[in-house]
Amino acid sequence: NAGVTQTPKFRVLKTGQSMTLLCAQDMNHEYMYWYRQDPGMGLRLIHYSVGEGTTAKGEVPDGYNVSRLKKQNFLLGLESAAPSQTSVYFCASSYDRGPYEQYFGPGTRLTVT
Amino acid sequence: AQSVTQLGSHVSVSEGALVLLRCNYSSSVPPYLFWYVQYPNQGLQLLLKYTTGATLVKGINGFEAEFKKSETSFHLTKPSAHMSDAAEYFCAVSFIQGAQKLVFGQGTRLTINP
Repeated sequence: NAGVTQTPKFRVLKTGQSMTLLCAQDMNHEYMYWYRQDPGMGLRLIHYSVGEGTTAKGEVPDGYNVSRLKKQNFLLGLESAAPSQTSVYFCASSYDRGPYEQYFGPGTRLTVT
Repeated sequence: AQSVTQLGSHVSVSEGALVLLRCNYSSSVPPYLFWYVQYPNQGLQLLLKYTTGATLVKGINGFEAEFKKSETSFHLTKPSAHMSDAAEYFCAVSFIQGAQKLVFGQGTRLTINP
């Protein structure tokens, strides 16, 4: 099992450009999550999904959109990138029953100039 | 609202010394509790978890944590630190009823001095 994979690993964008981050999991998990990690701020939840075709906002959703068209994939989109979105992005997944232990991908380092 | 507090954003110990990383949570319902570790430039890995039963939980790499309901704490310990333990550690909580989300603490960076 590959677990949770993320594509790409690194990306540099100019302000105003758009991009999509792809997360894939092969554990048949119902729940998937997108976080951003910034120095001194821990992990902050951007959006999450409790099943195929469903999404919900997390703590810091502004400037991001997500889609869960297939159970195994969760896409995070930036429509118009801003320097404040420079961060490391992590995807995670979990089963749909307690204890909701999450499995994390390796991360995507995004720089917006 | 549920929250998790990790005391100390940075902890430094000598190699061979005791490691103690503190975590307290606030919750009105029974929690599930986790410790995750993040090595440099990597994702988070589960170190250990408490769900039900024995309150002293053993994890990977010699770490353990004890759930103390009366103190709403879940502190992480390791008797003898190793250089390879240098990493960032996150405490997290989820709940038996409702929320599908984990609530994370802010993290504690552990440095090991030779």
